[in-house]
Amino acid sequence: RKEVEQDPGPFNVPEGATVAFNCTYSNSASQSFFWYRQDCRKEPKLLMSVYSSGNEDGRFTAQLNRASQYISLLIRDSKLSDSATYLCVVNKMDSNYQLIWGAGTKLIIKP
Amino acid sequence: EPEVTQTPSHQVTQMGQEVILRCVPISNHLYFYWYRQILGQKVEFLVSFYNNEISEKSEIFDDQFSVERPDGSNFTLKIRSTKLEDSAMYFCASRVRLAGGPPTYNEQFFGPGTRLTVL
Repeated sequence: RKEVEQDPGPFNVPEGATVAFNCTYSNSASQSFFWYRQDCRKEPKLLMSVYSSGNEDGRFTAQLNRASQYISLLIRDSKLSDSATYLCVVNKMDSNYQLIWGAGTKLIIKP
Repeated sequence: EPEVTQTPSHQVTQMGQEVILRCVPISNHLYFYWYRQILGQKVEFLVSFYNNEISEKSEIFDDQFSVERPDGSNFTLKIRSTKLEDSAMYFCASRVRLAGGPPTYNEQFFGPGTRLTVL
């Protein structure tokens, strides 16, 4: 099983739609979870940290299910500018927060 | 807003040559990292650095790689004898160390990357 696994994508959705990204991780002892966004040929940028209770930031909602080792990201009312690759990232336990990266899911928002 | 900077933005080199990639982390950060991303592939951890020594390194980070913090501000990655498969984007990141706290305290801030092309 991959350490961090995401939907392969790409997701092609119309502007205004709701998009859901799923991610699973293999190490049950992982403690920190993140969603990063990466534009083509740019550096990853933190979109959201994921809290155990779930958290929301405007149109973005992140959820964590520790029992299922599952993380999700929901984007509501998607905009053209949301087009990017979304990366699920988990810290590696017993390390100085070495980050383990999913392969990413590419999102294409169409007008 | 403070940011991580990297130079050069693009480095082209011949196979077998040495390259040094430079990074200036955010000034009050204590943990430093190098990651690489081969075109079309996922981001991969190379090495972490704290208190002037390597904390962890991946299998990718073999004897051809080294890191250094020569002057308290720069953080460098050296590849001694580049191979074709070293062609990738190399990202530097830094993190402030705080005891406990919410997950956001673990945020790593990334530089814009150096694109290394080995011919």
